[in-house]
Amino acid sequence: KAGVTQTPRYLIKTRGQQVTLSCSPISGHRSVSWYQQTPGQGLQFLFEYFSETQRNKGNFPGRFSGRQFSNSRSEMNVSTLELGDSALYLCASSLNRGSQETQYFGPGTRLLVL
Amino acid sequence: QQQVKQSPQSLIVQKGGISIINCAYENTAFDYFPWYQQFPGKGPALLIAIRPDVSEKKEGRFTISFNKSAKQFSLHIMDSQPGDSATYFCAASSGATNKLIFGTGTLLAVQP
Repeated sequence: KAGVTQTPRYLIKTRGQQVTLSCSPISGHRSVSWYQQTPGQGLQFLFEYFSETQRNKGNFPGRFSGRQFSNSRSEMNVSTLELGDSALYLCASSLNRGSQETQYFGPGTRLLVL
Repeated sequence: QQQVKQSPQSLIVQKGGISIINCAYENTAFDYFPWYQQFPGKGPALLIAIRPDVSEKKEGRFTISFNKSAKQFSLHIMDSQPGDSATYFCAASSGATNKLIFGTGTLLAVQP
């Protein structure tokens, strides 16, 4: 089975621009979560989607948004980029929701904001 | 109360030695405690996980010890190998959500 795939793997943007990142979960997985990883803040939860609905949201500004499609693929969007948004954005998928569901992470999209 | 505190920040161990990483939490609602391993350029991968009704879980060279009363849990890597050199994250989650609260990570270097 193919793992979680994320595109693009690397991205360079300038301040004020917007960006869309894509995540394809493992086949059959219905839950997708997004995390931001930075050296200073570590791994922080952004949001969780299940059955095309956002089920949980982390403590990030409204510039960060996401969605999930009927095939479970997910996208996240960051508008009006700031330098501090430079990070590795990780997507994780699991079969279902629940604290004890194993989550499988993709390799991430590394975003650099100049 | 949502934090998971992890120590040490970095760890150097000789090949064949035991690596020990510790985590502590405050939120008693947490009901699942996974450990993730991350290599450079890769996403985190689940290593081993434990529920609070179990005091210890062992998988190969990896063991989680869990102390519910102290709200602490730790990862022990026996017979550490250079291939174990990676960043290790403890995490916690609760309820019907997939949300993981991660510790700050421990960079492990196993010297040959």
